[in-house]
Amino acid sequence: SAVISQKPSRDICQRGTSLTIQCQVDSQVTMMFWYRQQPGQSLTLIATANQGSEATYESGFVIDKFPISRPNLTFSTLTVSNMSPEDSSIYLCSLRRGPGNEQFFGPGTRLTVL
Amino acid sequence: QKEVEQDPGPLSVPEGAIVSLNCTYSNSAFQYFMWYRQYSRKGPELLMYTYSSGNKEDGRFTAQVDKSSKYISLFIRDSQPSDSATYLCAMKGSGGSNYKLTFGKGTLLTVNP
Repeated sequence: SAVISQKPSRDICQRGTSLTIQCQVDSQVTMMFWYRQQPGQSLTLIATANQGSEATYESGFVIDKFPISRPNLTFSTLTVSNMSPEDSSIYLCSLRRGPGNEQFFGPGTRLTVL
Repeated sequence: QKEVEQDPGPLSVPEGAIVSLNCTYSNSAFQYFMWYRQYSRKGPELLMYTYSSGNKEDGRFTAQVDKSSKYISLFIRDSQPSDSATYLCAMKGSGGSNYKLTFGKGTLLTVNP
C-alpha cells in the first residue's frame, strides 16, 4: 500500500481564480500521477509528473491550464488555473508501487467552482 | 465503442447476498486487471490485482478474468453494509502507451442491512 495525503481536501472557488493542490507521499517515487474524476465519468489521467523534468500531459490537458511542479521525490503540486464551473471535479494524486506496479490513490481534492 | 464498459448501476442488495460486478473491454492489449473500491468522499482503494485469465480469491472477494471474452468480474460473497461503495474496474497493457490505466465509470453498490 501507500500513504498519500492531499491538501486541501475540498474547496469552493470563484470563476477565474486558481487553486494549487498539494500531494505528499510516504516514500520516494519516480513518477507521480494526477487524475480527474468528474461526476458520472471515468477517472481520467491529466499528467504524469517526473522529478527533474517537465510533466507529460495527456491529450486534452495543457500545461497552461494545469501546471504541475515536482520539486522532489515525495511531493507534487497541481494547479488548476483560470477556473470555470466545468473544472468542478475531484482531483486525485496517484503513484505506482510494488512488484506489479500497483497504482494507489490519494484521498482526493473535491473542487467546486462557482 | 468505449474501451471499458461498466454498468453504473445503482445496484442494491440485501446483506448476505452474493454480488457480481462486471466490466467488458475492447483492447486486446490489456493484460493487467484491477478492481478498486471507492467510498463516498474518499479516494479509490485497490482491492484486487490480477494478471491474465483465471480467478483470484481474497477473503470474500473473487476476481475473475476471461481474456477470450474480454470480460472481468468481481464477486463479493456474504456482502456486508460496509461493502456499500462505488466499485471501479481498471486495466492496462504493458509497454508503450499501454502502461496507462483505463477505468470503467464505476458501479454504485448498496448493501442493505
